[in-house]
Amino acid sequence: SQKIEQNSEALNIQEGKTATLTCNYTNYSPAYLQWYRQDPGRGPVFLLLIRENEKEKRKERLKVTFDTTLKQSLFHITASQPADSATYLCAPRGMNRDDKIIFGKGTRLHILP
Amino acid sequence: EPEVTQTPSHQVTQMGQEVILRCVPISNHLYFYWYRQILGQKVEFLVSFYNNEISEKSEIFDDQFSVERPDGSNFTLKIRSTKLEDSAMYFCASSGGGLGNQPQHFGDGTRLSIL
Repeated sequence: SQKIEQNSEALNIQEGKTATLTCNYTNYSPAYLQWYRQDPGRGPVFLLLIRENEKEKRKERLKVTFDTTLKQSLFHITASQPADSATYLCAPRGMNRDDKIIFGKGTRLHILP
Repeated sequence: EPEVTQTPSHQVTQMGQEVILRCVPISNHLYFYWYRQILGQKVEFLVSFYNNEISEKSEIFDDQFSVERPDGSNFTLKIRSTKLEDSAMYFCASSGGGLGNQPQHFGDGTRLSIL
């Protein structure tokens, strides 16, 4: 069955530094990879999508890479701010109609002021 | 920006009772989903719904669960006879397209507490 592993349950980063989160997946060949943010007591919020033929995607302070050989995606937040503190979820997605999301446990990111 | 809304935000129910969780998806979306998240655990898929029928359901979605889109705006999840282990946050999501290149838009959930 599909398995998604995100590097660590919690990550503490000093404000202003770059936070790097890792997502590894197995038993799956996704066509897309999405990243979501979840704040405590809230639903996941879509952040970015990267396609399998794209190496890198950027949006403001966010950067995502996708390596289909390594079966890995990296999610970077540059110039991190305390407001970036949240749980980040990666979601490998397929080409099926009505494609459900299989989430990993996520990485809880704390940006320390 | 349009959003998915869920009611109630918190539901407390006695074990064995029926409960209905309500969702209003984004108006022009066609694909609808329910997920749940037990406290401290990951978000898990329950069911997907398209064209007025269930597309896929997980092992969690047993005979005690049902979904309905009774009118053009609401999407409901019913649990017929609740169990203690049904206590969780339930999220509704909708999408304009079903493929994996489309984001799913989540509501802020209903916290279901079974006593």
